[in-house]
Amino acid sequence: GNSVTQMEGPVTLSEEAFLTINCTYTATGYPSLFWYVQYPGEGLQLLLKATKADDKGSNKGFEATYRKETTSFHLEKGSVQVSDSAVYFCALSSSGANSKLTFGKGITLSVRP
Amino acid sequence: GAGVSQSPSNKVTEKGKDVELRCDPISGHTALYWYRQRLGQGLEFLIYFQGNSAPDKSGLPSDRFSAERTGGSVSTLTIQRTQQEDSAVYLCASSSSSGGGTDTQYFGPGTRLTVL
Repeated sequence: GNSVTQMEGPVTLSEEAFLTINCTYTATGYPSLFWYVQYPGEGLQLLLKATKADDKGSNKGFEATYRKETTSFHLEKGSVQVSDSAVYFCALSSSGANSKLTFGKGITLSVRP
Repeated sequence: GAGVSQSPSNKVTEKGKDVELRCDPISGHTALYWYRQRLGQGLEFLIYFQGNSAPDKSGLPSDRFSAERTGGSVSTLTIQRTQQEDSAVYLCASSSSSGGGTDTQYFGPGTRLTVL
């Protein structure tokens, strides 16, 4: 079955530091890949996505590239801000009719001033 | 327009009682999903509705869990004879997708269920 593995957290960084959050997946077929974010006190929202190999998703300074050869979708940001403090979830969706999301466990990012 | 709404936001119940959780999807979205998030875990898929098709119930953890979607809009998740391991945040999501896996799912704020 499908699965998503995220690096263990939590992660604490200073403002303006470089961020990488690793995500690898196992899936049959050609899944779409997503990063969702949950800010404190808010609901889960889409951060970015990529629907085919070599696609790069980007939003709010975050980027992730769909790497089929390494089955990875690592999230990066060149300079984090305090406002980026949140829980980040990597997820995949199969190409079948169901389209349910399979999530990683999530990682908490704290950015200190 | 309005996003996905869920009610109640919090529910505390005693072991053995039944609970109903409600989800109101984004207007016009044909696909509706229920997920569960237990403490320290990722989200687990529970059930999927698409239009008037039979729901995909493959994620329901036991026969104490059931869900319905009336008129292709509002959905209710029912948990009978609640157990302490049912304590979790229950999230609802909707999308305009008819399948294929590429569309964005929009999530509600969730219902936090605590079973004492």
